[in-house]
Amino acid sequence: DQQVKQNSPSLSVQEGRISILNCDYTNSMFDYFLWYKKYPAEGPTFLISISSIKDKNEDGRFTVFLNKSAKHLSLHIVPSQPGDSAVYFCAASGGFGNEKLTFGTGTRLTIIP
Amino acid sequence: NAGVTQTPKFQVLKTGQSMTLQCAQDMNHEYMSWYRQDPGMGLRLIHYSVGAGITDQGEVPNGYNVSRSTTEDFPLRLLSAAPSQTSVYFCASAGLAGETQYFGPGTRLLVL
Repeated sequence: DQQVKQNSPSLSVQEGRISILNCDYTNSMFDYFLWYKKYPAEGPTFLISISSIKDKNEDGRFTVFLNKSAKHLSLHIVPSQPGDSAVYFCAASGGFGNEKLTFGTGTRLTIIP
Repeated sequence: NAGVTQTPKFQVLKTGQSMTLQCAQDMNHEYMSWYRQDPGMGLRLIHYSVGAGITDQGEVPNGYNVSRSTTEDFPLRLLSAAPSQTSVYFCASAGLAGETQYFGPGTRLLVL
């Protein structure tokens, strides 16, 4: 049973436009959410996170929105750049912060120059 | 500061063979963990440790053993490899204060 779902396996966006990646979760005990970015043949790297007490967190071009009632979060990248082309994983944890992460299946983002 | 290192980068095993995947971190992190990544499955937690001498099971622990004798090292042992263990394995570490997990570059394992 997939507790964290990323229903779009891939997404293509024009350079300079907004990229929106979506993530849904089913476990109400999750209280901390993260986005990781992964390039081929490398490990995932942390991008941005949000605690369940917030509904928005910004870091430069990246913003994460959390809708607890809908159990949905999204990552916005504005403006999208070619270097943003990667696989993005949504992850969630409960209880102790960001340990014991449960990952989604990932969305491959391709930025078209 | 090398961060999280993993060896080997790639390994081919025959069914039934044993091997140890090495993971080391130089950030003095208390928390370390092992994940496997399979196509269409995302990353799944195998085992984790909150400090030297303490380990616990994650979501998919069967077929794997771990130990944590030092803060720096967290090896993952496959006692009798099976084709179902063909995967990419990632080690990660984090400070216990809820800090971000840092991932190693991964070990690609093929079991024939």
